[in-house]
Amino acid sequence: DAGITQSPRYKITETGRQVTLMCHQTWSHSYMFWYRQDLGHGLRLIYYSAAADITDKGEVPDGYVVSRSKTENFPLTLESATRSQTSVYFCASSESIWQEAFFGQGTRLTVV
Amino acid sequence: ELKVEQNPLFLSMQEGKNYTIYCNYSTTSDRLYWYRQDPGKSLESLFVLLSNGAVKQEGRLMASLDTKARLSTLHITAAVHDLSATYFCAVDMYSGGGADGLTFGKGTHLIIQP
Repeated sequence: DAGITQSPRYKITETGRQVTLMCHQTWSHSYMFWYRQDLGHGLRLIYYSAAADITDKGEVPDGYVVSRSKTENFPLTLESATRSQTSVYFCASSESIWQEAFFGQGTRLTVV
Repeated sequence: ELKVEQNPLFLSMQEGKNYTIYCNYSTTSDRLYWYRQDPGKSLESLFVLLSNGAVKQEGRLMASLDTKARLSTLHITAAVHDLSATYFCAVDMYSGGGADGLTFGKGTHLIIQP
């Protein structure tokens, strides 16, 4: 399917476990982003990538790791999940700095 | 640090009425975006505003950008129930090297009642 897809859609994990959220886009967009959405905070940027093998920190990167070995994939890993990382995570991509970002369906992550 | 403030954060209005949502941002930027989010859903792009004085319209929604005032508005004309959603403005944190991701406002939760 064309577009941007995230998996899983829902995940429950335990504190201290490592978990990876997947993001795949079929447009070959250069830019990809990870945001988290929390009540009272809106959406906040975790990490972004301008191209394969180029990543950079956003506003709230602590506790997260990203990689981008292929243009179409941008996984987000929580190295040791904490309850404060319970959130809805959105992946997004855009073709250029002059165009809007398109968002995936989101992953609802609960850390217990 | 770029800050984006929307107001109001909550808005309940009647069908047929007009209203405006305001988005102020703290540092220079000439790229501003408006998104819509329905409950439990993803974000849908509404408008991309790329220059001072830009105005875009789609149906009952019209967005404008004043970069000198660091202000964007989203105007709703003759509201209908289907426009009930949360609306976000977002500003590009462009630092000269490319797209650095968006800074979002907290969103305006809009309820339109019959």
